[in-house]
Amino acid sequence: QSVLTQPPSVSGAPGQRVTISCTGSSSNIGAGYDVHWYQQFPGTAPKFLIFGNNNRPSGVPDRFSGSKSGTSASLAITGLQAEDEGDYYCQSFDSSLTAFVFGTGTKLTVL
Amino acid sequence: QVQLVESGGGVAQPGRSLRLSCAASGFTLRSYAIHWVRQAPGKGLEWVALIWYDGSKKYYADSVKGRFTISRDNSRDTVYLQMSSLTTEDTAVYYCARVYSGYDPDAFDVWGQGTMVTVSS
Repeated sequence: QSVLTQPPSVSGAPGQRVTISCTGSSSNIGAGYDVHWYQQFPGTAPKFLIFGNNNRPSGVPDRFSGSKSGTSASLAITGLQAEDEGDYYCQSFDSSLTAFVFGTGTKLTVL
Repeated sequence: QVQLVESGGGVAQPGRSLRLSCAASGFTLRSYAIHWVRQAPGKGLEWVALIWYDGSKKYYADSVKGRFTISRDNSRDTVYLQMSSLTTEDTAVYYCARVYSGYDPDAFDVWGQGTMVTVSS
């Protein structure tokens, strides 16, 4: 029962732009906690994708970007490529639960 | 090469115990806090526990509090997760992850490959 809600799935054609939302509340994202994003392919560990709301680790293409506003955050992927197909998770902290929390996860399909 | 390698997973009966290990290489483990995160089959990621770099502070998810214990041996570059009173709800792939600090909360920048724990009679 995650407190961060993501759409179960999103899709887009190669070259297009897609966004994945991460909706929280006043006890997590709305409380000012940072949001991080991870990419996961089937059968593999999550990969560090975006940190501190809108920063990319070394090696992550600039096609990936993050933003945060109010009680929500978003991940945008431009110039969609077949290799981007996978699952995406947001992550933050919830002060009511006193716990690190992940989003429900979004499956990205490249058409 | 910076990496984390989990081990110790397997099949356990309900009510039994299991200890997972997370071995670090390519970096100085004693300088980092480490988390355990799990993923049940076909489900999303769930945070399990956190231990500070020196072991002085430990935090747990409510779902495992009182049953799981996180510890570390920095001389062996290893973090452990002792799991007791296991239930079928604990069936999952367990990942250890390194903290990427400087943000609130910290992010997880290096992940192990995961070890599967199956609780079944």
